[in-house]
Amino acid sequence: QQPVQSPQAVILREGEDAVINCSSSKALYSVHWYRQKHGEAPVFLMILLKGGEQKGHEKISASFNEKKQQSSLYLTASQLSYSGTYFCGTELQGGSEKLVFGKGTKLTVNP
Amino acid sequence: KAGVTQTPRYLIKTRGQQVTLSCSPISGHRSVSWYQQTPGQGLQFLFEYFSETQRNKGNFPGRFSGRQFSNSRSEMNVSTLELGDSALYLCASSLRSYGYTFGSGTRLTVV
Repeated sequence: QQPVQSPQAVILREGEDAVINCSSSKALYSVHWYRQKHGEAPVFLMILLKGGEQKGHEKISASFNEKKQQSSLYLTASQLSYSGTYFCGTELQGGSEKLVFGKGTKLTVNP
Repeated sequence: KAGVTQTPRYLIKTRGQQVTLSCSPISGHRSVSWYQQTPGQGLQFLFEYFSETQRNKGNFPGRFSGRQFSNSRSEMNVSTLELGDSALYLCASSLRSYGYTFGSGTRLTVV
């Protein structure tokens, strides 16, 4: 049930854009996105419920393609503070609150 | 409002011993989930409790157990510790369709 994230790692310069993908082989109820900085706990970014609505604000947004069971996280005009590991978590349709995480995408933003 | 509190922050145990970790969720959150985080495996789902009932369980051996009390506080127990149990153990509390809030974790080292 573990979702598959890609790429595994990304290196950017400040101001560049990045896209992180998350896909599942099963029908999803929701997709979550979290960022974890080294030595800290994961921090919630956003949740997408089935319906394909794009969420987010400012320079971090996400979409959920219900037909493909795929979600993408968009980081626009990246800042140094965006560095960290991004995890997507998925809940299956018909299930209760069991959030399973992908293996993460390490994002490094350099000056 | 207070966040998720995990105690203790650090533990060193010897192989064969058992350990109990504690998690106090955000007030009003009845769902508490536990994760094991290691560098190679990412965030692995252990179990999820809601109103004192275990609703979901991950693929961990029976040495890993947990419970939730009437005030939503949760504990997890690992018996007969093995070297491979060394990890960061994170708990998170949530309201359905909202994001998870993680505690700072308990770093367990088994020697």
